[in-house]
Amino acid sequence: SQQGEEDPQALSIQEGENATMNCSYKTSINNLQWYRQNSGRGLVHLILIRSNEREKHSGRLRVTLDTSKKSSSLLITASRAADTASYFCATIEANAGGTSYGKLTFGQGTILTVHP
Amino acid sequence: GAVVSQHPSRVICKSGTSVKIECRSLDFQATTMFWYRQFPKQSLMLMATSNEGSKATYEQGVEKDKFLINHASLTLSTLTVTSAHPEDSSFYICSARDHRGFTYEQYFGPGTRLTVT
Repeated sequence: SQQGEEDPQALSIQEGENATMNCSYKTSINNLQWYRQNSGRGLVHLILIRSNEREKHSGRLRVTLDTSKKSSSLLITASRAADTASYFCATIEANAGGTSYGKLTFGQGTILTVHP
Repeated sequence: GAVVSQHPSRVICKSGTSVKIECRSLDFQATTMFWYRQFPKQSLMLMATSNEGSKATYEQGVEKDKFLINHASLTLSTLTVTSAHPEDSSFYICSARDHRGFTYEQYFGPGTRLTVT
């Protein structure tokens, strides 16, 4: 089941601006991951944040996690036209074992368009 | 980095026929592979978890007799859509976890676009 809600569903910005996407989830998690998908292609892993972490950076990406609110945000700074893609959060449930081990539950995604 | 391939990338088939999609981990061994389905402008829905050497675990609502999954080796899982119908047209994506299992990261294939006419 899809437990993640993402907002906005679509975001349109100009090159150079920052883009912020939010994700909420329902269960306790082990970690939360963000993925990027170019149109009609597979997913690329961007960043993983563990449940005991609050913030993580990778290049122009900044991810925050608030487990009390069950929410996360992805910030892309100084956006480029090449950042145009769909962005998904995905969670690994805490204490998931057996056949649920390692199973990702995806959010609905945000379609980001960066205009040159 | 870890690479996962899928074959074919696109397939068009007639209603009632069966289609096999392959998912391969190219430079690592994967005890677990996952199969997802994605409709246009929607998110990924997990269909099943495929474990090498054992039966796949299907998500609720996914027909195991329609979507046959085989994970015969540590580098290959196949999804066969049997008696395909137009409503099965979708983007099918697989992912694989490195069998050493020290990370939760999954590596995704490029996807297979299935069109049933």
